[in-house]
Amino acid sequence: SQKIEQNSEALNIQEGKTATLTCNYTNYSPAYLQWYRQDPGRGPVFLLLIRENEKEKRKERLKVTFDTTLKQSLFHITASQPADSATYLCALNQAGTALIFGKGTTLSVSS
Amino acid sequence: NAGVMQNPRHLVRRRGQEARLRCSPMKGHSHVYWYRQLPEEGLKFMVYLQKENIIDESGMPKERFSAEFPKEGPSILRIQQVVRGDSAAYFCASSPPGQPQETQYFGPGTRLLVL
Repeated sequence: SQKIEQNSEALNIQEGKTATLTCNYTNYSPAYLQWYRQDPGRGPVFLLLIRENEKEKRKERLKVTFDTTLKQSLFHITASQPADSATYLCALNQAGTALIFGKGTTLSVSS
Repeated sequence: NAGVMQNPRHLVRRRGQEARLRCSPMKGHSHVYWYRQLPEEGLKFMVYLQKENIIDESGMPKERFSAEFPKEGPSILRIQQVVRGDSAAYFCASSPPGQPQETQYFGPGTRLLVL
C-alpha cells in the first residue's frame, strides 16, 4: 500500500543547532515533494518544493534534499530559533491533482 | 492581495444538522481543494474543483458530503446530517491557473464540532 511516513512525531533541539526532519514514502512515484509548516490552529504554509530531477534546494536557513532512489526527503533548518517551533508536513503529488500529506513532525526549539 | 479566506472559522452543529463551509480562493486562483484534518491525523484530500467543475472527488465520502465552486462566489463544502465523526478541521487551498499540481495556498481552516 502507499505510505508517507515522517518518522519522528516530535523533535526537540536547542537553539542554534540544525534540525533534520525525514520523510519517507513507499509505492509512490511523485513528480515533486513539498514541505509545509503548520502552527497550532492555523493552515499549512508552503515552504519549499523540490522536483524529482532536483537533488537539493535551499531557501535562507532551509534546505531540502530529494532522493528518489531511497524514496526519501530530508528537511534541514540551520541555526534553529525558538520561532521555528511548529509542525512540519511533507507532501507528495502523484499522477493526478491531490497532495498526499504525511502526519507531520512537531519541532520544538528551546532557548 | 488577500490570502485564502474561509468562514466560519468555527462551527458548532448538532447531530443531524447541515454544515456549510465557505472558501474564497486567492485572487486570480482558479483551482480549489478541500482537505480534512482529524485530531492526531494528517491532512486528507477530499475534492478538487475548478470553476463550475468537479475535477477529482476521490477523497469525498460517498454520502452526505458535496462540494461546489460556482461561477460567482465562494466554493462551498456541504455536509448533510452531520455525525460526531465529522468533527475535524476543514482546510481549503487554492492554486493559480496552469499549475494545478504545484504549490497550494491554504486558508486558516474551519473547525467543525458536532455535538
